[in-house]
Amino acid sequence: GESVGLHLPTLSVQEGDNSIINCAYSNSASDYFIWYKQESGKGPQFIIDIRSNMDKRQGQRVTVLLNKTVKHLSLQIAATQPGDSAVYFCAENEDSGYALNFGKGTSLLVTP
Amino acid sequence: EAGVTQFPSHSVIEKGQTVTLRCDPISGHDNLYWYRRVMGKEIKFLLHFVKESKQDESGMPNNRFLAERTGGTYSTLKVQPAELEDSGVYFCASSQQDRGISPLHFGNGTRLTVT
Repeated sequence: GESVGLHLPTLSVQEGDNSIINCAYSNSASDYFIWYKQESGKGPQFIIDIRSNMDKRQGQRVTVLLNKTVKHLSLQIAATQPGDSAVYFCAENEDSGYALNFGKGTSLLVTP
Repeated sequence: EAGVTQFPSHSVIEKGQTVTLRCDPISGHDNLYWYRRVMGKEIKFLLHFVKESKQDESGMPNNRFLAERTGGTYSTLKVQPAELEDSGVYFCASSQQDRGISPLHFGNGTRLTVT
């Protein structure tokens, strides 16, 4: 099947800086996209989602941008904090499916 | 509200043995999903229940895996007999509605090691 992938496996940022995590997807039928954060020993935790009829959605300190033309998704974290250190997964599904397709994940490390 | 709970958190078994994983979804969530992540790979979908019915089991790797959700509440995933390649983290998730209308809530997973 078609896949969702991440550009970079690791990202290191300084505390207080903004972080941008990127994700590319290949399925043109994808209509729902979601970002999860996974801390060590825990399950994926929902951060933010976006449907394909939108190109931007904001949450608390996070923004998701969707560019359907180039099939690209990004997660922006403002004023990154040490507690943001985790692995971030993007995932998508299409209207006809039930399963989320996950990317490999990006490890975000926040340094003081 | 209590989250999705999974038991056990860790399991170490020998090749050929049987293991049963349990998932208790969030109360009121009709949709229950099993996913797994094997070492170095993406999190992969296994199957989806709506109440007690299997809606989609296209991700189940083979017939050594059996999932049940009797009564539409908790679910079990049995691996019999276990093989080395079954090692990984098995996640359960639940949601109120399906297909992205509401996000999936994941449990902390069961880490399965087959030796």
